Parts: sequence; structure tokens; C-alpha cells
Amino acid sequence: DSGVTQTPKHLITATGQRVTLRCSPRSGDLSVYWYQQSLDQGLQFLIQYYNGEERAKGNILERFSAQQFPDLHSELNLSSLELGDSALYFCASSARHSGSSYNEQFFGPGTRLTVL
Amino acid sequence: AQSVTQLGSHVSVSEGALVLLRCNYSSSVPPYLFWYVQYPNQGLQLLLKYTTGATLVKGINGFEAEFKKSETSFHLTKPSAHMSDAAEYFCAVRLSNFGNEKLTFGTGTRLTIIP
Repeated sequence: DSGVTQTPKHLITATGQRVTLRCSPRSGDLSVYWYQQSLDQGLQFLIQYYNGEERAKGNILERFSAQQFPDLHSELNLSSLELGDSALYFCASSARHSGSSYNEQFFGPGTRLTVL
Repeated sequence: AQSVTQLGSHVSVSEGALVLLRCNYSSSVPPYLFWYVQYPNQGLQLLLKYTTGATLVKGINGFEAEFKKSETSFHLTKPSAHMSDAAEYFCAVRLSNFGNEKLTFGTGTRLTIIP
């Protein structure tokens, strides 16, 4: 158990709909990362938040958005869903230690999204 | 910028045989390198990592990897395969400079163990 929790575990929805995926980081971790794992694109970095602010952006579609709240949990919002958005969405978290450039990322179990 | 290439999307080895999963990387600055394992219907688990120091790193479950800068490689090995090693393995790289923390993953290698 990494200490990172994600809900829901599975989500089935229809094209055109909007969903929200939730991530709770490990206690004390300030950074949250979102990754998408799909058959077509493999494992891709989407976005990173650090202490409530967006820190880095990857291959995230404009239809997707994320935020990190004051209690440090994060939500990934996916809208106007398409069949190709079906994937496993992982959240990871890491701590921020002053003066250190390395902070291990701990991955949650993922949310499997199926768009029908 | 950084990228990872994993040679062989599927590798099969007999139980008790050597496991060798290949990973080559490119990075604009000294890299941090990782191997993750994913069991069916589960998340990613860190096997081992190279950040600085000794180039031969040992991980969990008897796996090890060697960072070879001249070959830009970080191959994963295990001397004797076990049935429980059957899983998908991902090599990942990130830049070592402060503030660049995103992981870039390879396409993965599915390891099958033959009894």
C-alpha cells in the first residue's frame, strides 16, 4: 500500500459525459502528479500540482483539467469524453524536501475509466 | 528533454533462467532512472532507482540494474526467474535538475515465465 488513494476504482460512462477522478496523496506530500495509461499512448504524464499550484504540464488535452485543494487532495476533470479517453488514470504523490532535487513518486492503484 | 526506449515488448524466459530487460534513455542533463513493475489490475510499484552514486543498484525481489552512461543504458536483470516475476515492467527517466520531476516512461515489457 503506497498510501495514495484514488476513487473511484472503476468508472463507466458514455461519450460526451463529464467525470471527476479524485486523489488523496500520502500524508504530508505536497506534490500530486496525474498519469494516463492507455493501449495507444502507453504511460503519459498529464500534469503536476505542488501545494495547490500547477507546476508542470504534459500531454494533457484541453478537455481535461485538474486542481489541488487546500487539504492537498487533487481532482482530475475529464469532459466531452471520447472513446479514446478510456484508460487507467494514475495519481502519484511526492514530498518536497528543501535542497533536494529527488523526491520519490508513490503511485496510487489507479482509476479505470471506460467510455462507451 | 528526455525519452526512454525499451527493447522487446514481450520477453519470455524459463523459470530459473536469467531475466534481462533492456532500457536505453536519452536525457539533456544527468538523469534519474527507475524501473517499475505492474502486476495485472494493479498500480505501479518501484523496483529500483538510480539517482547518484553507485552505478549498480539493487532493488526488491532480487532485481538489479546497472547505469551505464557511455551506453545510455539501464538494463534490468535477475539471475533466476520465478513464476511470481510475471508482470509488466516499465523503465522511466526524469531529469535530475531541481523542479523537473515528471517521469517519462518507456512502452513497457511484458515478462512471461515458462514453467
